[in-house]
Amino acid sequence: DAGITQSPRYKITETGRQVTLMCHQTWSHSYMFWYRQDLGHGLRLIYYSAAADITDKGEVPDGYVVSRSKTENFPLTLESATRSQTSVYFCASSEPMPKGESSTDTQYFGPGTRLTVL
Amino acid sequence: AQSVTQLDSQVPVFEEAPVELRCNYSSSVSVYLFWYVQYPNQGLQLLLKYLSGSTLVKGINGFEAEFNKSQTSFHLRKPSVHISDTAEYFCAVSGIDYKLSFGAGTTVTVRA
Repeated sequence: DAGITQSPRYKITETGRQVTLMCHQTWSHSYMFWYRQDLGHGLRLIYYSAAADITDKGEVPDGYVVSRSKTENFPLTLESATRSQTSVYFCASSEPMPKGESSTDTQYFGPGTRLTVL
Repeated sequence: AQSVTQLDSQVPVFEEAPVELRCNYSSSVSVYLFWYVQYPNQGLQLLLKYLSGSTLVKGINGFEAEFNKSQTSFHLRKPSVHISDTAEYFCAVSGIDYKLSFGAGTTVTVRA
């Protein structure tokens, strides 16, 4: 199916374990983003990527690692999960408008992954 | 850097009544403004966006928002809500770097 998908949708893990959340989009969008959603904080940007092999930190990157070897995939890894990383994680993608036009465009969001760290 | 403040964390409203969700932003550069909706257990869906031009923006599901540069606001309105409008609403702002900064969200609960 076309669109943006995330897996798993639900995950329970233990403190100290490594966890990888997957994100896949079929639009060939250049930009991809990872957010976490916590009550009272809205969505906060963890990492983003402007293209394959180009990634950069967002607002809350500590404890997370990303990679982007292919345009369509943007996995997020928690190297050693902590309870504070219990959250709902959203992946998003966008395709910037061409130069000369507005330089930002709509972000399309996946359905989210609910992660619980015990 | 830009930031967003959503002035109401929860808004209860009766069906067929109007609703207004308030959003203020701060930025030192030209901004682009968005409203997203999140229905229970779902991802975020774009309601509307302001990039340039007319300050009154119309979106999906009967929502509209007005960009007010002097008051740095981007309030969302709907003249008559339905039960199905029960959701969380997020205001977001971006500059030229494609990154979005979100407000904390406003939970709208529509009652019959």
